[in-house]
Amino acid sequence: GNSVTQMEGPVTLSEEAFLTINCTYTATGYPSLFWYVQYPGEGLQLLLKATKADDKGSNKGFEATYRKETTSFHLEKGSVQVSDSAVYFCALSDPTGSGGSNYKLTFGKGTLLTVNP
Amino acid sequence: NAGVTQTPKFQVLKTGQSMTLQCAQDMNHNSMYWYRQDPGMGLRLIYYSASEGTTDKGEVPNGYNVSRLNKREFSLRLESAAPSQTSVYFCASSEEELASFYEQYFGPGTRLTVT
Repeated sequence: GNSVTQMEGPVTLSEEAFLTINCTYTATGYPSLFWYVQYPGEGLQLLLKATKADDKGSNKGFEATYRKETTSFHLEKGSVQVSDSAVYFCALSDPTGSGGSNYKLTFGKGTLLTVNP
Repeated sequence: NAGVTQTPKFQVLKTGQSMTLQCAQDMNHNSMYWYRQDPGMGLRLIYYSASEGTTDKGEVPNGYNVSRLNKREFSLRLESAAPSQTSVYFCASSEEELASFYEQYFGPGTRLTVT
């Protein structure tokens, strides 16, 4: 079946530091890949997505590139801010794969990021 | 435009009690979802409704029932709460059910504790 593995947190950085949160996936079909962000006390929001190999998703200074050869979708930001403190979830949708379905999102466990001033 | 709203925000139940979590969306979306979020587990799908009048089980449906009351509202019922159902519950909606194409929009969550 499908699965998503992301780096264990928590991650603590100083403002303006470079951020990488690793995400690797297992899928049998041709998945779409997502990063969701959950700010304290709120629901999840879609941060960015990529629907095919070599696509780069980007939003709010965050980027992630869909790497089929390494089955990865690492999240990066060049200079984090205090306001980026949140939990970040990597997720995939694989409707074409074995056991896949149209509606299903498979989430990683989440990585807590804290950015200190 | 409120998006996805959930009530209540917090709830404490005793084992064996029942309750209904309410969810409504004002985006005219066809598909709605209920997830639970547990520490170190990510989000897991409980039930979903691809369109008004249909509901289907997700990954962890045991102990729950749902009702798609109309296009806007999708409720989750716990008939006899158990401590294992202590969790944060999120409702989400999307224009259509194709998750790889249509973004899911999440509500703010309900934090449920069962003692």
